[in-house]
Amino acid sequence: GAVVSQHPSWVICKSGTSVKIECRSLDFQATTMFWYRQFPKQSLMLMATSNEGSKATYEQGVEKDKFLINHASLTLSTLTVTSAHPEDSSFYICSAHRDRGLGYTFGSGTRLTVV
Amino acid sequence: GDSVTQMEGPVTLSEEAFLTINCTYTATGYPSLFWYVQYPGEGLQLLLKATKADDKGSNKGFEATYRKETTSFHLEKGSVQVSDSAVYFCALTSNNDMRFGAGTRLTVKP
Repeated sequence: GAVVSQHPSWVICKSGTSVKIECRSLDFQATTMFWYRQFPKQSLMLMATSNEGSKATYEQGVEKDKFLINHASLTLSTLTVTSAHPEDSSFYICSAHRDRGLGYTFGSGTRLTVV
Repeated sequence: GDSVTQMEGPVTLSEEAFLTINCTYTATGYPSLFWYVQYPGEGLQLLLKATKADDKGSNKGFEATYRKETTSFHLEKGSVQVSDSAVYFCALTSNNDMRFGAGTRLTVKP
């Protein structure tokens, strides 16, 4: 079946550094990938929609310069948290869109802790 | 915009009890509806889905029916097990974006 590999599964970084999270579709091409953030005890929040070969579409309130998204190929999207701060600590999940209305495959998530 | 409202948890049940987690939605079009489950320490997993009115999704003993007239997609299971303890998310998708409910934490005690 469709598999989305997300790495790293967890990362601890120092405040002020940048962290890159990869989301890779292993056995299918994903023209669209989504990045979500999950706050403790809250639902997932859609951060941005990433389309291969074009700029990502960010949701209102999400800082584009802080959360850099690149979707350079049909199988890889990356989220870079720049100049991370403790408030950026969260669980980040990507999902890849396959077929309209049916084919969403999630990555396993990345737990980011900024100290 | 489109949204999902899910009953608040946490929900605590004894093993073999009946489970219902309510989910209602608001959408301008005809969304597909999903239930996702997140076990401790893991990412989301698709539990079941329904793509049109009156469809029933089912998996692992869980069921949910797409009710257009009540804009609902309630999750049910006749007899829960300890291993069902997890957080359950109702979600919809339309226009390719996926919207999630707040999640309901279920704890099943032996």
